[in-house]
Amino acid sequence: GAGVSQSPRYKVAKRGQDVALRCDPISGHVSLFWYQQALGQGPEFLTYFQNEAQLDKSGLPSDRFFAERPEGSVSTLKIQRTQQEDSAVYLCASSLYEQFFGPGTRLTVL
Amino acid sequence: QKEVEQNSGPLSVPEGAIASLNCTYSDRGSQSFFWYRQYSGKSPELIMFIYSNGDKEDGRFTAQLNKASQYVSLLIRDSQPSDSATYLCAVSTASKLTFGTGTRLQVTL
Repeated sequence: GAGVSQSPRYKVAKRGQDVALRCDPISGHVSLFWYQQALGQGPEFLTYFQNEAQLDKSGLPSDRFFAERPEGSVSTLKIQRTQQEDSAVYLCASSLYEQFFGPGTRLTVL
Repeated sequence: QKEVEQNSGPLSVPEGAIASLNCTYSDRGSQSFFWYRQYSGKSPELIMFIYSNGDKEDGRFTAQLNKASQYVSLLIRDSQPSDSATYLCAVSTASKLTFGTGTRLQVTL
């Protein structure tokens, strides 16, 4: 079976642009998580969905970050007015219990 | 104090030796503990998880948990060059994972 997929794999944005990152979870996985990983650091939690409900968004760094999962499957992480400090790898994970990660989207903000 | 602490390394072990990776955590309410392996430029890959005090073995890997000491470890027996990677310890609290910064392991020929 297919694992978690993410697109695009790489994204370069000019400062101030909006970006949208997509995550396709493993089929049947109820829970979906977004993490941000800076170079040399472990992933840091951003937000968590159970089906379509966003149960925890405590890790979103500012109101420029927004995530949705309207039908309880595919999720989109949107970053408005990108800043240089948003440059990182954005990881999506899905789970029934253990979390399995997608390949990530590397975002570079110039 | 960070919630999950790991020595960043690098930890260098010769091929065939045992690699011992350690992790401490601060939240006594944590219930589940995970080890992920991350190769450079790749995403984390789940190796082991453990919930109960004691040891859990899977092939060359053994996870050890001591909740009283708030300590988790991962032993890799018969280390291979392909084990060279960063090993991330993660602790689950209310579903979300809190990661350490990872320990870089180098297995030398």
